[in-house]
Amino acid sequence: GQQVMQIPQYQHVQEGEDFTTYCNSSTTLSNIQWYKQRPGGHPVFLIQLVKSGEVKKQKRLTFQFGEAKKNSSLHITATQTTDVGTYFCAGVGGGNKLTFGTGTQLKVEL
Amino acid sequence: NAGVTQTPKFQVLKTGQSMTLQCAQDMNHEYMSWYRQDPGMGLRLIHYSVGAGITDQGEVPNGYNVSRSTTEDFPLRLLSAAPSQTSVYFCASSYSIHAGTGTRGYTFGSGTRLTVV
Repeated sequence: GQQVMQIPQYQHVQEGEDFTTYCNSSTTLSNIQWYKQRPGGHPVFLIQLVKSGEVKKQKRLTFQFGEAKKNSSLHITATQTTDVGTYFCAGVGGGNKLTFGTGTQLKVEL
Repeated sequence: NAGVTQTPKFQVLKTGQSMTLQCAQDMNHEYMSWYRQDPGMGLRLIHYSVGAGITDQGEVPNGYNVSRSTTEDFPLRLLSAAPSQTSVYFCASSYSIHAGTGTRGYTFGSGTRLTVV
């Protein structure tokens, strides 16, 4: 079945440093979605990417969908303590299943 | 507008007991899913539904049943609880998960924290 892996599993940064998480799928995806989960909370939808090579920005967050539509990345510029949480990618490979990646847990230290 | 409501928020079961986790949404979403979240394993799909009367299995369906008699409700039943089912369970709903149809992603409930002893 479809598998979606994320690296790294954990990342500790100093406030102000940049952060990137990478998402890789075993199959071609029709779209990729990104979610953020705060500690003790539930996942919250951030964005969807659809087109090959697509890049979207939300303030300090930059999302990219690979040319082959099998990988994606999320880059945060100048992290803040409010960025703390776990970031998940999720993709639809075929049919009606949305498969989530394993997640990257981000900790930001002052 | 309540979004996705899950009940209960916390539950402790004894091995072998059965129970139903409730999920209701008021956004007229067609897609609904149940995920379980375990440390280091992300969110794993248990069962999902693309509309009333239609359900299908995800990647970890064993030990769980679902039904979708209405658009609003998607309960998850644990048939005979086992310690391996100790987890956080999330229900999620969406207008669509497919590209090009105006999806805004899944809306998640606040979760049910289940412990089986």
